[in-house]
Amino acid sequence: GAGVSQSPSNKVTEKGKDVELRCDPISGHTALYWYRQSLGQGLEFLIYFQGNSAPDKSGLPSDRFSAERTGGSVSTLTIQRTQQEDSAVYLCASSLRGSSTDTQYFGPGTRLTVL
Amino acid sequence: AQSVTQPDIHITVSEGASLELRCNYSYGATPYLFWYVQSPGQGLQLLLKYFSGDTLVQGIKGFEAEFKRSQSSFNLRKPSVHWSDAAEYFCAVGGNLKTSYDKVIFGPGTSLSVIP
Repeated sequence: GAGVSQSPSNKVTEKGKDVELRCDPISGHTALYWYRQSLGQGLEFLIYFQGNSAPDKSGLPSDRFSAERTGGSVSTLTIQRTQQEDSAVYLCASSLRGSSTDTQYFGPGTRLTVL
Repeated sequence: AQSVTQPDIHITVSEGASLELRCNYSYGATPYLFWYVQSPGQGLQLLLKYFSGDTLVQGIKGFEAEFKRSQSSFNLRKPSVHWSDAAEYFCAVGGNLKTSYDKVIFGPGTSLSVIP
């Protein structure tokens, strides 16, 4: 079946512009995660959605970052007034139930470059 | 605080040689442990995971890992490396801290190069 998909695969933007990154999770997965992977760094947790519960936003680095998940499926990560330090690969993952024992299935990522 | 360390940033091995990637964790409860692999331009893929029971777990692609509670380690091994194993490897820890969301914490990764 289809895996997690993300779009665009690459995004180049100018400093100060807003960007939207999209994630389509695996059908039927109730949990969705966003991570940021900077060059040479591990995965930095950003935000977690689980069903209809309020999202865990504790990893968002600033109020310029926001995310929503419509209809319990597709999610959009928005970065406002982008800065050069926002350049990274943004990874989305989904899991069946969102428990710590679940396997997370990752998308290929969106590489964001802020000039 | 929960954390994962991978002491080796980069490792180079010859094809056919054995491999061990180190992972140490700090966690306030019984940990759930994972190894993921990220091939160039790809998303992360689960290699194996440990929750309980036998401390030696088998994964895909011929990998195995051993949980050693006394050393807070979960090292990944493979007896004979193939050129296609060149990738970034991430160790991760999660668990049940009875918080609203028990995040899975990822280590910084170890980059593996394989030489012919």
